[in-house]
Amino acid sequence: EIVLTQSPGTLSLSPGERATLSCRASQSFAGNYLAWYQQKPGQPPRLLIYGASNRATGVPDRFSGSGSGTDFTLTITRLEPEDFAVYYCQHYNESPLPFGGGSKVEIK
Amino acid sequence: QVQLQEAGPRLVRPSQTLSLTCTVSGGSITSGGYHWTWFRQPAGKGLEWIGHVFTSGTTDSNPSLKSRVTISLYTPWNQFSLTLDSVTAADTAMYYCATRTGGRPFDYWGQGTLVTVSS
Repeated sequence: EIVLTQSPGTLSLSPGERATLSCRASQSFAGNYLAWYQQKPGQPPRLLIYGASNRATGVPDRFSGSGSGTDFTLTITRLEPEDFAVYYCQHYNESPLPFGGGSKVEIK
Repeated sequence: QVQLQEAGPRLVRPSQTLSLTCTVSGGSITSGGYHWTWFRQPAGKGLEWIGHVFTSGTTDSNPSLKSRVTISLYTPWNQFSLTLDSVTAADTAMYYCATRTGGRPFDYWGQGTLVTVSS
């Protein structure tokens, strides 16, 4: 079973700064079936990135995903006020479709 | 645009059965290729996949919950359901329904419904 570990747990940054979030898999998986979601309080997750590096419809281009094998990264180039949230990675090809534990991006 | 809405009791007694439905609008639950899925999220914690049902009626669920989970389609009402047997306080969580097509992640989510297990 694939386990995803996200780091850091919390990232304290100011608007305009760059955020770099990591997601590491316990084993390599083919096909880059790695997604990133954003979740704000009281809301369901919102799909940002799929296939490790493809932006979902309507996602601003300040969000980008990269990586393959076991190491994946979500980068937000210039944080906007609405980007402060919790971010989850997910492997979406093999049961039990695991999520990482989440990374919170908070305002410094 | 597919939309989903969860419904069901907000309070369930320990050892009883949790039952939720998800109503689908903007698309047919019989459309081929969709994975009609349940997730949950305890307060302040991460997301957990509970299981899914395909249009064919075939199901799969998280091994950690498999013995207690049933997921079914109700095609006349364009709904799918979740039942979770023998609940404990550890099953208290926000429950989400979601869907995707094969090979994609989860594009569409309901708003979630909070279920509390308590006597």
